[in-house]
Amino acid sequence: AQTVTQSQPEMSVQEAETVTLSCTYDTSESNYYLFWYKQPPSRQMILVIRQEAYKQQNATENRFSVNFQKAAKSFSLKISDSQLGDTAMYFCAFCRSSGGYQKVTFGTGTKLQVIP
Amino acid sequence: NAGVTQTPKFQVLKTGQSMTLQCAQDMNHEYMSWYRQDPGMGLRLIHYSVGAGITDQGEVPNGYNVSRSTTEDFPLRLLSAAPSQTSVYFCASSRTGMGGMYNEQFFGPGTRLTVL
Repeated sequence: AQTVTQSQPEMSVQEAETVTLSCTYDTSESNYYLFWYKQPPSRQMILVIRQEAYKQQNATENRFSVNFQKAAKSFSLKISDSQLGDTAMYFCAFCRSSGGYQKVTFGTGTKLQVIP
Repeated sequence: NAGVTQTPKFQVLKTGQSMTLQCAQDMNHEYMSWYRQDPGMGLRLIHYSVGAGITDQGEVPNGYNVSRSTTEDFPLRLLSAAPSQTSVYFCASSRTGMGGMYNEQFFGPGTRLTVL
């Protein structure tokens, strides 16, 4: 079974600074996907960024980027130029495709507070 | 498109009562799923469906029933509510993964359920 570990329950960062959220996972699969989801106080789950395991290049979406270390099974999220709107819970998630459907395992989340 | 809709947004039940959480999507997605979100535990999969008439259990199925009579709707039934089912429930939908490809999951806004 896959497990996803987020070891930082809470973090804070000053506005305009950079912060890195960590995530590690355990799997015996070789082909899978990793994601970061954002959940603001509105509760809506929003996909921030995704990474295909077979791609060596780290994914980037504007101010969000990942550091994917496949051998170490590590998938951290870097948020540059933090903004107040980045305040949210962030969930790391692992997905594998099985029999035509996707099985997603979520981490326990990191609560990020951006301080003005 | 309305995306994924859930009703109600909030619900309070007494122990032993039954109810149905509604979920609908208008994106013609084959795959739909129900998660529950508890503090410190991330999102856990309750049940999922890969198409009309096809459902299966996820990680925490006990106490919940589902059915999928149409592509659009995927209701979650609590047969006899218990305080342990107090949680936030999310419905999600996506296209099914073909050939190992991932398709983004779209989440509903969630239902906060309290069982007294």
